[in-house]
Amino acid sequence: KQEVTQIPAALSVPEGENLVLNCSFTDSAIYNLQWFRQDPGKGLTSLLLIQSSQREQTSGRLNASLDKSSGRSTLYIAASQPGDSATYLCAVLDSNYQLIWGAGTKLIIKP
Amino acid sequence: EAGVAQSPRYKIIEKRQSVAFWCNPISGHATLYWYQQILGQGPKLLIQFQNNGVVDDSQLPKDRFSAERLKGVDSTLKIQPAKLEDSAVYLCASNPGSNYGYTFGSGTRLTVV
Repeated sequence: KQEVTQIPAALSVPEGENLVLNCSFTDSAIYNLQWFRQDPGKGLTSLLLIQSSQREQTSGRLNASLDKSSGRSTLYIAASQPGDSATYLCAVLDSNYQLIWGAGTKLIIKP
Repeated sequence: EAGVAQSPRYKIIEKRQSVAFWCNPISGHATLYWYQQILGQGPKLLIQFQNNGVVDDSQLPKDRFSAERLKGVDSTLKIQPAKLEDSAVYLCASNPGSNYGYTFGSGTRLTVV
């Protein structure tokens, strides 16, 4: 059974720092992995989608990597800003076309 | 392209009342999903439609929840009667097919008092 883990559960860093969020999954048989952002009580905003054949995707200050063999993905945020404060969730599309979610990392960027 | 539209944004009802949520997916997206997200937890899939047919509703509490997707476009999710534990954000998502990324709407925040 596919399980997705995100570490740490919460992270607080000063503005301007670069940071890395981690996502691990137990079964490497996935179709893709997607990173989302969620503001409190709101919907989910898709940040980056990495297909199983890809190693990384970039969008602005965000870079996501995927290592299927080790069951890991990282989301790198460069030059963090207070507006980046949110919960970040990763989800993998497993071999049964089920979207399996991590519990999220709550990120706080201190001005 | 326009995103996934959901309404209402917020709803407060008393327990045992009924409530309905509406979702309009991105044009051309065949697959539509309804998720329930309780505070502090990840989203839980309630039902998945492929066009106007149900693909997966195994986690839908069918004694009180119902959903339909007429004509394979818009969808409604209904709860009748509501319970306190139904308080959550209800999220609608769509994609062109199962192997694609998901696009979510802004969600409906339901509070049952």
